[in-house]
Amino acid sequence: DTAVSQTPKYLVTQMGNDKSIKCEQNLGHDTMYWYKQDSKKFLKIMFSYNNKELIINETVPNRFSPKSPDKAHLNLHINSLELGDSAVYFCASRRGTGQGRWGKQFFGPGTRLTVL
Amino acid sequence: ELKVEQNPLFLSMQEGKNYTIYCNYSTTSDRLYWYRQDPGKSLESLFVLLSNGAVKQEGRLMASLDTKARLSTLHITAAVHDLSATYFCAVDIGGNQFYFGTGTSLTVIP
Repeated sequence: DTAVSQTPKYLVTQMGNDKSIKCEQNLGHDTMYWYKQDSKKFLKIMFSYNNKELIINETVPNRFSPKSPDKAHLNLHINSLELGDSAVYFCASRRGTGQGRWGKQFFGPGTRLTVL
Repeated sequence: ELKVEQNPLFLSMQEGKNYTIYCNYSTTSDRLYWYRQDPGKSLESLFVLLSNGAVKQEGRLMASLDTKARLSTLHITAAVHDLSATYFCAVDIGGNQFYFGTGTSLTVIP
Protein backbone atom coordinates (compact mmCIF):
# COMPACT_ATOMS: atom_id res chain seq x y z
CA ASP A 1 0.00 0.00 0.00
CA THR A 2 2.33 2.72 -1.26
CA ALA A 3 1.27 6.11 0.05
CA VAL A 4 2.93 8.23 -2.63
CA SER A 5 3.98 6.54 -5.84
CA GLN A 6 5.85 7.80 -8.88
CA THR A 7 6.42 6.39 -12.33
CA PRO A 8 8.79 5.79 -13.88
CA LYS A 9 11.54 5.15 -11.37
CA TYR A 10 14.22 5.74 -13.98
CA LEU A 11 13.98 7.85 -17.12
CA VAL A 12 16.76 8.16 -19.66
CA THR A 13 16.14 10.39 -22.65
CA GLN A 14 17.76 12.61 -25.24
CA MET A 15 18.09 16.37 -25.10
CA GLY A 16 15.17 18.14 -26.70
CA ASN A 17 12.63 15.45 -25.90
CA ASP A 18 9.42 15.98 -23.94
CA LYS A 19 8.69 13.68 -21.03
CA SER A 20 6.30 13.24 -18.14
CA ILE A 21 6.57 11.86 -14.65
CA LYS A 22 3.45 10.67 -12.89
CA CYS A 23 2.65 10.95 -9.20
CA GLU A 24 -0.24 9.50 -7.25
CA GLN A 25 -1.07 9.63 -3.56
CA ASN A 26 -3.66 7.52 -1.79
CA LEU A 27 -3.58 9.42 1.49
CA GLY A 28 -6.47 11.72 0.75
CA HIS A 29 -4.16 14.72 1.03
CA ASP A 30 -5.08 18.13 -0.31
CA THR A 31 -1.71 19.40 -1.33
CA MET A 32 0.99 17.94 -3.54
CA TYR A 33 4.49 19.05 -4.39
CA TRP A 34 7.32 18.50 -6.81
CA TYR A 35 10.95 18.75 -5.74
CA LYS A 36 14.21 18.51 -7.64
CA GLN A 37 17.30 17.01 -6.01
CA ASP A 38 20.53 17.66 -7.86
CA SER A 39 23.73 15.66 -7.88
CA LYS A 40 24.92 17.44 -4.73
CA LYS A 41 21.73 16.37 -2.95
CA PHE A 42 20.42 19.92 -2.81
CA LEU A 43 16.62 19.90 -2.67
CA LYS A 44 14.55 22.62 -4.27
CA ILE A 45 10.80 22.97 -4.32
CA MET A 46 9.44 23.36 -7.83
CA PHE A 47 5.69 23.48 -7.38
CA SER A 48 3.07 23.17 -4.74
CA TYR A 49 -0.54 22.58 -5.70
CA ASN A 50 -3.88 22.09 -4.09
CA ASN A 51 -7.29 22.23 -5.67
CA LYS A 52 -7.30 25.97 -5.31
CA GLU A 53 -3.86 27.22 -5.95
CA LEU A 54 -0.72 26.49 -7.89
CA ILE A 55 2.44 28.03 -6.54
CA ILE A 56 5.42 28.02 -8.82
CA ASN A 57 8.96 28.57 -7.69
CA GLU A 58 10.03 31.51 -9.82
CA THR A 59 13.36 29.90 -10.61
CA VAL A 60 11.73 26.96 -12.37
CA PRO A 61 11.89 27.25 -16.18
CA ASN A 62 8.53 27.37 -17.91
CA ARG A 63 9.50 24.17 -19.72
CA PHE A 64 8.29 22.47 -16.55
CA SER A 65 4.58 22.30 -15.93
CA PRO A 66 2.49 20.44 -13.38
CA LYS A 67 -0.82 18.92 -14.39
CA SER A 68 -3.36 17.67 -11.89
CA PRO A 69 -6.23 15.61 -13.32
CA ASP A 70 -7.63 15.14 -9.81
CA LYS A 71 -6.74 15.57 -6.15
CA ALA A 72 -4.79 12.34 -6.00
CA HIS A 73 -2.51 13.02 -8.96
CA LEU A 74 0.06 15.62 -9.83
CA ASN A 75 2.06 14.90 -12.95
CA LEU A 76 5.15 16.75 -14.09
CA HIS A 77 5.61 17.56 -17.76
CA ILE A 78 8.96 18.66 -19.06
CA ASN A 79 9.42 20.09 -22.54
CA SER A 80 12.64 20.41 -24.51
CA LEU A 81 14.76 18.57 -21.99
CA GLU A 82 18.23 19.93 -21.28
CA LEU A 83 21.32 18.34 -19.78
CA GLY A 84 20.87 20.37 -16.61
CA ASP A 85 17.50 18.79 -16.01
CA SER A 86 19.24 15.57 -15.00
CA ALA A 87 18.35 15.04 -11.36
CA VAL A 88 16.09 13.06 -9.06
CA TYR A 89 12.55 14.38 -8.93
CA PHE A 90 10.45 13.74 -5.86
CA CYS A 91 6.74 14.09 -5.51
CA ALA A 92 5.30 14.70 -2.05
CA SER A 93 1.95 15.31 -0.44
CA ARG A 94 0.49 16.51 2.81
CA ARG A 95 -2.92 17.17 4.19
CA GLY A 96 -2.63 20.90 3.74
CA THR A 97 -5.90 21.88 5.39
CA GLY A 98 -7.56 21.81 8.75
CA GLN A 99 -5.66 20.58 11.74
CA GLY A 100 -3.20 18.68 9.62
CA ARG A 101 -2.19 21.59 7.48
CA TRP A 102 1.15 21.99 9.15
CA GLY A 103 1.86 18.29 9.20
CA LYS A 104 4.66 16.37 7.66
CA GLN A 105 5.05 15.69 3.99
CA PHE A 106 5.10 12.19 2.59
CA PHE A 107 7.54 11.70 -0.24
CA GLY A 108 7.41 9.39 -3.22
CA PRO A 109 10.33 7.11 -4.09
CA GLY A 110 11.76 9.52 -6.65
CA THR A 111 12.36 9.44 -10.40
CA ARG A 112 15.93 9.57 -11.58
CA LEU A 113 15.99 11.52 -14.84
CA THR A 114 19.07 11.35 -17.03
CA VAL A 115 19.28 13.57 -20.09
CA LEU A 116 21.88 12.57 -22.66
CA GLU B 1 17.00 35.30 -0.89
CA LEU B 2 16.14 32.87 1.88
CA LYS B 3 19.07 30.81 3.10
CA VAL B 4 18.90 27.63 5.12
CA GLU B 5 22.30 26.50 6.25
CA GLN B 6 23.19 23.31 8.02
CA ASN B 7 26.41 22.49 9.72
CA PRO B 8 28.34 20.46 9.60
CA LEU B 9 27.88 19.29 6.02
CA PHE B 10 29.68 16.06 6.78
CA LEU B 11 29.89 14.35 10.12
CA SER B 12 31.77 11.21 11.00
CA MET B 13 31.25 10.04 14.53
CA GLN B 14 31.94 6.99 16.60
CA GLU B 15 29.24 4.79 17.94
CA GLY B 16 28.17 5.78 21.40
CA LYS B 17 29.07 9.43 21.02
CA ASN B 18 26.79 12.45 21.10
CA TYR B 19 26.63 15.22 18.56
CA THR B 20 24.43 18.09 17.35
CA ILE B 21 23.52 19.19 13.84
CA TYR B 22 22.59 22.85 13.42
CA CYS B 23 20.12 24.44 11.03
CA ASN B 24 20.16 28.22 10.66
CA TYR B 25 17.70 30.09 8.49
CA SER B 26 17.47 33.69 7.38
CA THR B 27 13.78 34.52 7.50
CA THR B 28 10.95 34.58 9.98
CA SER B 29 9.28 31.23 10.39
CA ASP B 30 7.92 29.18 13.26
CA ARG B 31 7.58 25.93 11.36
CA LEU B 32 10.50 23.67 10.70
CA TYR B 33 10.84 20.04 9.68
CA TRP B 34 13.58 17.45 9.84
CA TYR B 35 13.95 14.64 7.32
CA ARG B 36 16.21 11.66 6.89
CA GLN B 37 17.40 10.31 3.55
CA ASP B 38 19.22 7.00 3.16
CA PRO B 39 21.51 6.65 0.12
CA GLY B 40 19.51 6.22 -3.06
CA LYS B 41 16.24 6.43 -1.17
CA SER B 42 13.46 8.89 -0.61
CA LEU B 43 12.96 11.28 2.30
CA GLU B 44 11.41 10.21 5.56
CA SER B 45 9.88 12.70 7.93
CA LEU B 46 11.44 12.73 11.39
CA PHE B 47 10.10 15.74 13.25
CA VAL B 48 7.63 18.56 12.84
CA LEU B 49 8.37 21.64 14.96
CA LEU B 50 5.56 24.18 14.97
CA SER B 51 6.40 26.79 17.57
CA ASN B 52 9.18 28.55 19.38
CA GLY B 53 10.67 26.29 22.02
CA ALA B 54 9.24 23.13 20.48
CA VAL B 55 11.16 20.00 21.35
CA LYS B 56 10.49 16.57 19.90
CA GLN B 57 12.29 13.33 20.67
CA GLU B 58 12.26 9.90 19.15
CA GLY B 59 14.76 7.27 20.10
CA ARG B 60 18.27 8.68 19.97
CA LEU B 61 17.24 11.83 18.11
CA MET B 62 15.94 15.05 19.61
CA ALA B 63 15.01 18.17 17.67
CA SER B 64 14.39 21.68 18.96
CA LEU B 65 13.41 25.03 17.51
CA ASP B 66 14.35 28.55 18.58
CA THR B 67 12.48 30.88 16.26
CA LYS B 68 14.01 34.01 17.75
CA ALA B 69 17.50 32.79 16.97
CA ARG B 70 16.24 31.25 13.70
CA LEU B 71 17.94 28.06 14.73
CA SER B 72 16.97 24.43 14.96
CA THR B 73 19.11 21.63 16.31
CA LEU B 74 19.06 17.89 15.84
CA HIS B 75 20.82 16.18 18.71
CA ILE B 76 22.09 12.63 18.43
CA THR B 77 22.59 10.67 21.61
CA ALA B 78 24.78 7.56 21.78
CA ALA B 79 24.98 7.16 18.03
CA VAL B 80 24.53 3.78 16.41
CA HIS B 81 25.38 2.67 12.88
CA ASP B 82 21.72 2.64 11.82
CA LEU B 83 21.64 6.43 12.14
CA SER B 84 24.04 6.83 9.22
CA ALA B 85 22.13 8.87 6.61
CA THR B 86 21.76 12.41 5.31
CA TYR B 87 19.64 14.70 7.46
CA PHE B 88 17.81 17.72 6.09
CA CYS B 89 16.02 20.53 7.80
CA ALA B 90 13.31 22.41 5.91
CA VAL B 91 11.80 25.78 6.73
CA ASP B 92 8.14 26.42 6.01
CA ILE B 93 7.60 30.08 5.12
CA GLY B 94 3.90 29.70 4.47
CA GLY B 95 1.90 29.40 1.31
CA ASN B 96 3.13 25.85 0.88
CA GLN B 97 6.67 27.03 0.27
CA PHE B 98 9.51 25.04 1.77
CA TYR B 99 13.20 25.69 1.72
CA PHE B 100 15.55 22.84 2.48
CA GLY B 101 18.90 23.04 4.16
CA THR B 102 22.08 21.86 2.53
CA GLY B 103 21.92 18.49 4.27
CA THR B 104 24.27 16.86 6.76
CA SER B 105 25.77 13.53 5.76
CA LEU B 106 26.24 11.49 8.91
CA THR B 107 28.44 8.41 9.10
CA VAL B 108 28.55 6.47 12.34
CA ILE B 109 31.68 4.39 12.69
CA PRO B 110 31.78 1.25 14.83
